[in-house]
Amino acid sequence: QQQVKQSPQSLIVQKGGISIINCAYENTAFDYFPWYQQFPGKGPALLIAIRPDVSEKKEGRFTISFNKSAKQFSLHIMDSQPGDSATYFCAASIGGATNKLIFGTGTLLAVQP
Amino acid sequence: ETGVTQTPRHLVMGMTNKKSLKCEQHLGHNAMYWYKQSAKKPLELMFVYSLEERVENNSVPSRFSPECPNSSHLFLHLHTLQPEDSALYLCASSQDLGAGVYNSPLHFGNGTRLTVT
Repeated sequence: QQQVKQSPQSLIVQKGGISIINCAYENTAFDYFPWYQQFPGKGPALLIAIRPDVSEKKEGRFTISFNKSAKQFSLHIMDSQPGDSATYFCAASIGGATNKLIFGTGTLLAVQP
Repeated sequence: ETGVTQTPRHLVMGMTNKKSLKCEQHLGHNAMYWYKQSAKKPLELMFVYSLEERVENNSVPSRFSPECPNSSHLFLHLHTLQPEDSALYLCASSQDLGAGVYNSPLHFGNGTRLTVT
């Protein structure tokens, strides 16, 4: 119930392509869904986040798509660049509580030039 | 120095050693956290401090002992660790615990890579 299932575990995309990472959850009480980006040797950093009252949020080349009925959300990276190569984590929170943030297992993205 | 700084970056210790991890935040935040990051596993929240008071301890073994002397500094004291404790230990901070993660997002340090031999 408290898990967030993330897939794929790793992803290779050509430069200019679209990267798609998916997450699924069971607990319908989750109401905040952030994505974190982590470069090698660095800590995770907040990339983009969505609340369930909207189905999509876009920031530059990064878009979150949210499907409340399916209990799924995904990160789309348009025009993927080698600089996007990193590990991406989805997460979910109940009531936006910082100490109740549940993370996925991460997706290692490699964008080939 | 800005953001969240963790030292040391790498640490190798034997199972009988005692060592400490240090975290310092320069963001004026009131809440600080310790997370454990292991390969292919979700980030695990270990401890949460708000205004120097421990507010959460997620069933972490007693061989891990946190200390928060003030709102800018957080330590994780380690003793008699096991090889399975080898991981990346991340410190994070946020403005206020009660403000919610959308108003007060987490800021992570770059972590300490711990290897227990």
